[in-house]
Amino acid sequence: DTGVSQDPRHKITKRGQNVTFRCDPISEHNRLYWYRQTLGQGPEFLTYFQNEAQLEKSRLLSDRFSAERPKGSFSTLEIQRTEQGDSAMYLCASSLEPGPRGEQYFGPGTRLTVT
Amino acid sequence: AQRVTQPEKLLSVFKGAPVELKCNYSYSGSPELFWYVQYSRQRLQLLLRHISRESIKGFTADLNKGETSFHLKKPFAQEEDSAMYYCALGNTGTASKLTFGTGTRLQVTL
Repeated sequence: DTGVSQDPRHKITKRGQNVTFRCDPISEHNRLYWYRQTLGQGPEFLTYFQNEAQLEKSRLLSDRFSAERPKGSFSTLEIQRTEQGDSAMYLCASSLEPGPRGEQYFGPGTRLTVT
Repeated sequence: AQRVTQPEKLLSVFKGAPVELKCNYSYSGSPELFWYVQYSRQRLQLLLRHISRESIKGFTADLNKGETSFHLKKPFAQEEDSAMYYCALGNTGTASKLTFGTGTRLQVTL
């Protein structure tokens, strides 16, 4: 296991299209997080899962965004009817709970560009 | 609401000079503070956490609850320290989401 992986690494889409990103966490990690990072900002929390249960969602996660983690392993983040403001780096992280608190392992991110 | 402030976007120091990256936070509960680092073309990774009181790669950070600060310090900067540094605040109890600052780019020059 080489760490958290995300696919695709880059996505260019036209406004109004739907996109889906995938995150594969470190295999034994039970928590999975999604963050969004725009230029010049730090990562902003979107949502997180404990196994397959989605336990918290940010106000940033509008109804166009949906995340799933169906079997408590990989997760998908879907954005429907994309807008130019959705252009950002989408980061996935995982952690083991209980474990060293705050130690989230990040993936390389998926860079979304909406034209 | 919780907030993390990193006032400097860029900090440029000479090799061998001391480094201090500033971080202030706002949180009503008992905070858990972290420093994350992102080296060029690498992913974000944890550098250190306040609860461990550890020194990693010569960096230390002390939580000052009176000043609500968690500044990152290193006595002698090295070229390999050049990176983006993010201060982050975690929730006590659930240790779920992290609230990040906007980051400070540290540039160590010869």
